[in-house]
Amino acid sequence: DTVMTQSPESLAVSLGERATINCKSSQSVFYSSNNKNYLAWYQQKPGQPPKLLIYWASTRESGVPDRFSGSGSGTDFALTISSLQAEDVAVYYCQQYEIPPHTFGGGTKVEIK
Amino acid sequence: EVQLLESGGGLVQPGGSLRLSCAASGFTFSSCAMSWVRQAPGKGLELVAYTTGSSGHAYYAESVKGRFTISRDNPKNTLYLQMNNLRVEDTALYYCAKGNGDGAYTWLASWGRGTLVTVSS
Repeated sequence: DTVMTQSPESLAVSLGERATINCKSSQSVFYSSNNKNYLAWYQQKPGQPPKLLIYWASTRESGVPDRFSGSGSGTDFALTISSLQAEDVAVYYCQQYEIPPHTFGGGTKVEIK
Repeated sequence: EVQLLESGGGLVQPGGSLRLSCAASGFTFSSCAMSWVRQAPGKGLELVAYTTGSSGHAYYAESVKGRFTISRDNPKNTLYLQMNNLRVEDTALYYCAKGNGDGAYTWLASWGRGTLVTVSS
């Protein structure tokens, strides 16, 4: 199975500051035929199901604030929150959906410093 | 509005069986891949099984292959997960999730609130 490794495991950032989460895949999730990276990011707040933030590595889901952005290609990806808000406290997961079975990273917990 | 409502969870002894259901509404069910994702207490997410829309092809995580079966009843807009030979390590909150399209290679666009499965003697 494709192993997704997220770093760091947890992150404490001051309100208004930038938070960056990394995700590394053990195999490339880039498909050259359509020039797309099969990588999604989800946010899970306490007691809630996960919520889709980003797909195709960098496309924001409708309604997701533009302070969330995704980047990267091949095996190395990042989710950036440009200006952390209190409501962004959550665990964030990456997932590859190119190679079955689709696998998640272990999660990164984001807290307020 | 997309709605996914899971049911069927509960307490079961090791070696036992359960069938989970997910009632879907608000979208064309037969045109969407559907998945079961689980989350053990205090742990991360694991996609255990998914099925494509119209063709019904199924994929499983190695941890459940041969024990779990995913199926769907498109006219009833319902997804199922038959779980046999349950183990203590299958204890988790099981989410039903909707793919963005019909095929196997899609992100999980919407999620239910989950149903809790506890395997214990």
